[in-house]
Amino acid sequence: GDSVTQMEGPVTLSEEAFLTINCTYTATGYPSLFWYVQYPGEGLQLLLKATKADDKGSNKGFEATYRKETTSFHLEKGSVQVSDSAVYFCALSSGGFQKLVFGTGTRLLVSP
Amino acid sequence: EAQVTQNPRYLITVTGKKLTVTCSQNMNHEYMSWYRQDPGLGLRQIYYSMNVEVTDKGDVPEGYKVSRKEKRNFPLILESPSPNQTSLYFCASSAKLGYNEQFFGPGTRLTVL
Repeated sequence: GDSVTQMEGPVTLSEEAFLTINCTYTATGYPSLFWYVQYPGEGLQLLLKATKADDKGSNKGFEATYRKETTSFHLEKGSVQVSDSAVYFCALSSGGFQKLVFGTGTRLLVSP
Repeated sequence: EAQVTQNPRYLITVTGKKLTVTCSQNMNHEYMSWYRQDPGLGLRQIYYSMNVEVTDKGDVPEGYKVSRKEKRNFPLILESPSPNQTSLYFCASSAKLGYNEQFFGPGTRLTVL
């Protein structure tokens, strides 16, 4: 079945550092890919998405590019802030269906 | 404000005592879903509903029931809770077609003693 693999956390960075969180997937067909963010005590919010190969999703300084050849969707940000501290989930949806398959999540901790 | 609401936010109960977690959305979404979040496992789908009176099992449906009598509401029912159902539960909704954003509720933290 479909699956998503994320790097284990926590990822600990200083403010203004460069962030990469790796995500790879296994899916039949051509899935859409998502990054969701969960701030402490809150539900998940969509951060960005890409629906086809080579698409780049971006939002709030975060970016991720849909790489079909490497089945990857790595999340990057050039300069993180303390307010970016959260848990980040990579997810996929395939077959025109709304079900999301999530990775295990990566906790990001940013210190001043 | 467009939102998904869940109640209660926190619940401590005992084994075997039936409980219901409510979920409501005000966006006229057709698709609704329940997930549970456990450490090291991410989010796993319990049940989903494509429309009123249409529900189906997700990946981990054992021990849960749902109903969809109205478009806006999708309650999760635990007829006889057990300690392995201690988890953080999220309700989500989205428009049915395409790869639309799913909107998540704030979560319900359930502890079964």
